[in-house]
Amino acid sequence: QQQVKQSPQSLIVQKGGISIINCAYENTAFDYFPWYQQFPGKGPALLIAIRPDVSEKKEGRFTISFNKSAKQFSLHIMDSQPGDSATYFCAAELKAAGNKLTFGGGTRVLVKP
Amino acid sequence: DTEVTQTPKHLVMGMTNKKSLKCEQHMGHRAMYWYKQKAKKPPELMFVYSYEKLSINESVPSRFSPECPNSSLLNLHLHALQPEDSALYLCASSRSQLDTEAFFGQGTRLTVV
Repeated sequence: QQQVKQSPQSLIVQKGGISIINCAYENTAFDYFPWYQQFPGKGPALLIAIRPDVSEKKEGRFTISFNKSAKQFSLHIMDSQPGDSATYFCAAELKAAGNKLTFGGGTRVLVKP
Repeated sequence: DTEVTQTPKHLVMGMTNKKSLKCEQHMGHRAMYWYKQKAKKPPELMFVYSYEKLSINESVPSRFSPECPNSSLLNLHLHALQPEDSALYLCASSRSQLDTEAFFGQGTRLTVV
């Protein structure tokens, strides 16, 4: 049972453009929503995260938008750069379950120069 | 030091071999995790250790045997693996199981022949 659905599976964007990745979750008890960035041959690295009591969080060129009523959250990468080319995973975490991460399926982003 | 170090980076083993994967962190983290990641898929949780005790076992086959000899080290002992066990094995750590930020290692690329 996939509790976090992520779309699109892949994304091509021109340098300077905006990359948008969407995630939807089912369990309303989730209480933490991180995004991870993974380069080929590397482990995932925490990029940015949000809690459900906040509707938006921005860190540099990366912004999370969170819609609690719709059970959706998204990652916006502004001014996308070739170095942003990576796979991005959204995730949801439930403290009551020992903070287990439930990952979305991933989005492969390619930023063309 | 904010690194989680995994060795070896690559491992090829036969189905009758016994091998071990090693993970080390010196951040004082008391929760450590093993994940398995197949190509183009998100990481899947295998085991969680909290204060050197096994906290979560996600119904992993017994041919995978975790060990946490001390607070800095985590091992994964492998025996009689199948070709379908070939994957990237990721270790992660966090300050505690209640801490939301997990740091991942680069992984061990395992090929079972």
